[in-house]
Amino acid sequence: GAVVSQHPSRVICKSGTSVKIECRSLDFQATTMFWYRQFPKQSLMLMATSNEGSKATYEQGVEKDKFLINHASLTLSTLTVTSAHPEDSSFYICSASPRTSRGFMNTEAFFGQGTRLTVV
Amino acid sequence: AQSVTQLGSHVSVSEGALVLLRCNYSSSVPPYLFWYVQYPNQGLQLLLKYTTGATLVKGINGFEAEFKKSETSFHLTKPSAHMSDAAEYFCAVIGGGFKTIFGAGTRLFVKA
Repeated sequence: GAVVSQHPSRVICKSGTSVKIECRSLDFQATTMFWYRQFPKQSLMLMATSNEGSKATYEQGVEKDKFLINHASLTLSTLTVTSAHPEDSSFYICSASPRTSRGFMNTEAFFGQGTRLTVV
Repeated sequence: AQSVTQLGSHVSVSEGALVLLRCNYSSSVPPYLFWYVQYPNQGLQLLLKYTTGATLVKGINGFEAEFKKSETSFHLTKPSAHMSDAAEYFCAVIGGGFKTIFGAGTRLFVKA
């Protein structure tokens, strides 16, 4: 199957600083990637859809100025948590899907390993 | 809009017993359904998926699930639980825009 790599796997930062998380599709091009957030003992909630070459689409309630998404190439999307606070501590996961030979989006999403963000 | 509901946030079974994790879906179009497993502090691992074709889907680690359209269900089963099966399990459906929509998750506990 396709491989999605996320980096870093863990990060600890001080309150008020910004943190960048990278999501790469290693063996396919991804015009669309998705960012999820998971609080302890909860499910994954979609934060935003990252679109290559255009603005991300954010889900309701997600602050776009807080969670900056850049999808500058077909294999890389980044999520930057700006001015992080302890309440931003969470597990962040990205996903992407390769397109089929006919150009349609594959029905299966491939997930990165996740990034554990701790803001102190 | 598509959605999934997982019945039971916690399920506890004895080692060797049947595992049954319940998932019901809502979809206005033929659904694409998935089961994922997540171990503590790790990402998601795909157990199995249903897109089209055979309604009984076999996955990794001895798990299988049956798509029942009449019941709008996609329950996950395993005949004999192992200690290593203790984890969080998520049922998911592909929604509009190819977003993956997850259920709330079910924590499986396996007792020795």
